[in-house]
Amino acid sequence: DPKIIQKPKYLVAVTGSEKILICEQYLGHNAMYWYRQSAKKPLEFMFSYSYQKLMDNQTASSRFQPQSSKKNHLDLQITALKPDDSATYFCASSQDDRGYEQYFGPGTRLTVL
Amino acid sequence: KTQVEQSPQSLVVRQGENCVLQCNYSVTPDNHLRWFKQDTGKGLVSLTVLVDQKDKTSNGRYSATLDKDAKHSTLHITATLLDDTATYICVVGADYGNEKITFGAGTKLTIKP
Repeated sequence: DPKIIQKPKYLVAVTGSEKILICEQYLGHNAMYWYRQSAKKPLEFMFSYSYQKLMDNQTASSRFQPQSSKKNHLDLQITALKPDDSATYFCASSQDDRGYEQYFGPGTRLTVL
Repeated sequence: KTQVEQSPQSLVVRQGENCVLQCNYSVTPDNHLRWFKQDTGKGLVSLTVLVDQKDKTSNGRYSATLDKDAKHSTLHITATLLDDTATYICVVGADYGNEKITFGAGTKLTIKP
């Protein structure tokens, strides 16, 4: 059974719209993260949460907002979508916020037209 | 300037042979360094994490070294298998607590029969 679930697997959106990427982990972890991987760039760290609190934000744009309704949930809301937002978004979790051993979800591939 | 440089960019190895991947970085502080394996189109799998000033780890056919003085890490894969075909990513973690981490661009490894 998958331990980190990301939904949807594929997502197509139009420029200017808003989408929410879902992430749930069933590893009993206390820290969760979002990463982005664009076609021609290395993986980029976006956010880290620990016990549902924002620990680190390395995303310059406020259009990206993580939402944590439960300890094992960390969704990513993206508003005013742009074509440059097209990427695969990975969710990850670790036991604590040291993040030594992070476990990654399968990713959501977002395409903005 | 690239803060985590991996070499070679791509590598082709015959099945059964050994290979070595390199990671040089300039990120400071360098709290820990991790190696991930990413199969094409899939998420990341953590292979090992190195923490000490001069560290060595071993995980089955994977072994890694870290020299923080030289800011250099290596990943050794012995007796390669076809399933080892993937991109191997070096990640340097900068801070405790706040998970500031920097990713390398990866080495694309192809194992040929």
